[in-house]
Amino acid sequence: QVQLVQSGAEVKKPGASVKVSCKASGYTFTSYDINWVRQATGQGLEWMGWMNPNSGNTGYAQKFQGRVTMTRNTSISTAYMELSSLRSEDTAVYYCARVDSSGCWGQGTLVTVSS
Amino acid sequence: EIVLTQSPGTLSLSPGERATLSCRASQSVSSSYLAWYQQKPGQAPRLLIYGASSRATGIPDRFSGSGSGTDFTLTISRLEPEDFAVYYCQQYGSSSSTFGPGTKVDIK
Repeated sequence: QVQLVQSGAEVKKPGASVKVSCKASGYTFTSYDINWVRQATGQGLEWMGWMNPNSGNTGYAQKFQGRVTMTRNTSISTAYMELSSLRSEDTAVYYCARVDSSGCWGQGTLVTVSS
Repeated sequence: EIVLTQSPGTLSLSPGERATLSCRASQSVSSSYLAWYQQKPGQAPRLLIYGASSRATGIPDRFSGSGSGTDFTLTISRLEPEDFAVYYCQQYGSSSSTFGPGTKVDIK
C-alpha cells in the first residue's frame, strides 16, 4: 500500500538546523510531488512547500524562503526537509504528504526547539 | 498567496444532524485543486474530498463536497459520532498551497 514513513522526533536548540526524512513505498517515488506541512500544538495546518522528486524542482511558502530546503534521494525513495535557524516558534509536528487523490500523509515528526 | 477563510469556526451539532461547512477563497481556485481534510487529536489529517467534489477512497457517502470559483462547501448529511473533529480546506494550484484555519465540529 502507498505509505510515507517519517524519521523520529528531534530536539534542537535555537539557531540549529533539523532535517526530517520521509521514505515512500508502495508507488513510484518519482511520479508524485511531496509536500511538507507543519502543525504547532493546538494550531492549524501550515503548508511549507513542495518538491518534485523526479526533477528536484521545489516551491516554498514565502514565510520559509531562505530557511527551508527540500531535497530527495531517488535511490532510496526518500524526501528530506531541512529547516535552519530554528526558533521556539518552529516547535511543531512536521508532515510529509502527497497532495493528490491518494491522500497519503506521513505519521508526523515532532520537532521541539528549546534551549 | 490565496487566503482561505472557513466558517463557522465552531459548529455545535447533535449526532444525526446535517453539517454544512464553508470555505471561501480570496481569489478564484481551480476546482481541480480544492480538498477537504478531517483531523482528530493526535492523528494526521485524513483526506475526505479532492477536486472539490470527489470522495477519496473509503470515505462514506454522507460526506460530499461542492462549489467552484471562490466558494466551496463540505456537507455531512447525517453526523455520526466519529465525525466530530476539525475540518480543513486546502487549495493546491499554481505551485503553491494554503490551508484554511479549520472548522471544529463538536457535540452539542
